[in-house]
Amino acid sequence: GAVVSQHPSRVICKSGTSVKIECRSLDFQATTMFWYRQFPKQSLMLMATSNEGSKATYEQGVEKDKFLINHASLTLSTLTVTSAHPEDSSFYICSARQTGGYGYTFGSGTRLTVV
Amino acid sequence: GENVEQHPSTLSVQEGDSAVIKCTYSDSASNYFPWYKQELGKRPQLIIDIRSNVGEKKDQRIAVTLNKTAKHFSLHITETQPEDSAVYFCAAIDRGSTLGRLYFGRGTQLTVWP
Repeated sequence: GAVVSQHPSRVICKSGTSVKIECRSLDFQATTMFWYRQFPKQSLMLMATSNEGSKATYEQGVEKDKFLINHASLTLSTLTVTSAHPEDSSFYICSARQTGGYGYTFGSGTRLTVV
Repeated sequence: GENVEQHPSTLSVQEGDSAVIKCTYSDSASNYFPWYKQELGKRPQLIIDIRSNVGEKKDQRIAVTLNKTAKHFSLHITETQPEDSAVYFCAAIDRGSTLGRLYFGRGTQLTVWP
């Protein structure tokens, strides 16, 4: 079946630094990639939607200059958390929409801890 | 955008009993309703889904019902087992929308006691 590979699975960074998270669709073309953030014991909150070759669409309240999304190819989307702060510590997970299908395939998630 | 409400937030049942989780949605254009199971620290796993042209769907111990008029859909798990313990999320989407964004409910922590 469709697989989305997400890396890294865990990352610890110092406050003020930037972290890049990658999601790759391994056996299908992901025209659209969704990025979610999940705090402990809470739901998945949609942050932004990216389409290959165009600017990402951010949900209300999400700072686009802080959470940079790039979807340069049909198989790769990246989320960069810039100038990270402890409050950015969270579980970040991507999801790819399969072109023409009904399914959404999730990456394995990235546990970000900012110290 | 879509607003998905999910209840209850926690649910405890005895092994073998049934569990029911209910969701409502706000956007009448939504036409696809998946349910996900998420174990701690892992990715959500699709367990069942239903499209708006169907009122009920069943897969072994799991069933989903949809009432389009009332804009609510429910997950039914029968003969629950301890391994069913996890967080369950409902979601809704308008498949015809340009972006196709999937919106999740708040989740239900299901605990099945042996």
